[in-house]
Amino acid sequence: GAGVSQSPSNKVTEKGKDVELRCDPISGHTALYWYRQSLGQGLEFLIYFQGNSAPDKSGLPSDRFSAERTGGSVSTLTIQRTQQEDSAVYLCASSPSPGLAFGEQYFGPGTRLTVT
Amino acid sequence: DQQVKQNSPSLSVQEGRISILNCDYTNSMFDYFLWYKKYPAEGPTFLISISSIKDKNEDGRFTVFLNKSAKHLSLHIVPSQPGDSAVYFCAAIRIQGAQKLVFGQGTRLTINP
Repeated sequence: GAGVSQSPSNKVTEKGKDVELRCDPISGHTALYWYRQSLGQGLEFLIYFQGNSAPDKSGLPSDRFSAERTGGSVSTLTIQRTQQEDSAVYLCASSPSPGLAFGEQYFGPGTRLTVT
Repeated sequence: DQQVKQNSPSLSVQEGRISILNCDYTNSMFDYFLWYKKYPAEGPTFLISISSIKDKNEDGRFTVFLNKSAKHLSLHIVPSQPGDSAVYFCAAIRIQGAQKLVFGQGTRLTINP
């Protein structure tokens, strides 16, 4: 079946511009996560959506970052007024209902964002 | 505050030998520990996990060992194969709340023929 997909695969933007990154999770997965991987670093949690519950935004690094998930499926991560330190690979992951296979998340290929 | 640490950025092993990847953590509240494998230009894929109440979990060529007193876990791959060459991430999770994965920095494993 189809895995998690993300678009675009690469995005180059000028400092100060806004960007939108898209994630299509696996159909039927209720949990959706955004992580980012900066150069030489591990993956860093950003935000978590679970069903219709309020998202856990505790990992967002600043108020320039926001995300939404429409209809319990597709998610968009928006970065406003991009800065060079936002350059990273942004990864989306989904998983089935919590309580099953703790920690087994299915990742998309990521979007590589470069801010010039 | 790096709660999960992989102190070896790279490891090179001969094909057929054992690969041992190490990971240390600081938060004793983690409930599960996992290993993910990542190839270039792909997202990480789940490899194996272990509950905090266990000390060993085995799946084919892969075995994860957990030493809670030392807050240390390791992944053993035996025998190592060329297709095992990838970046390996150690991760930990608490089952309360968001169940977000806390990742180490990764170790690049290279299997030499």
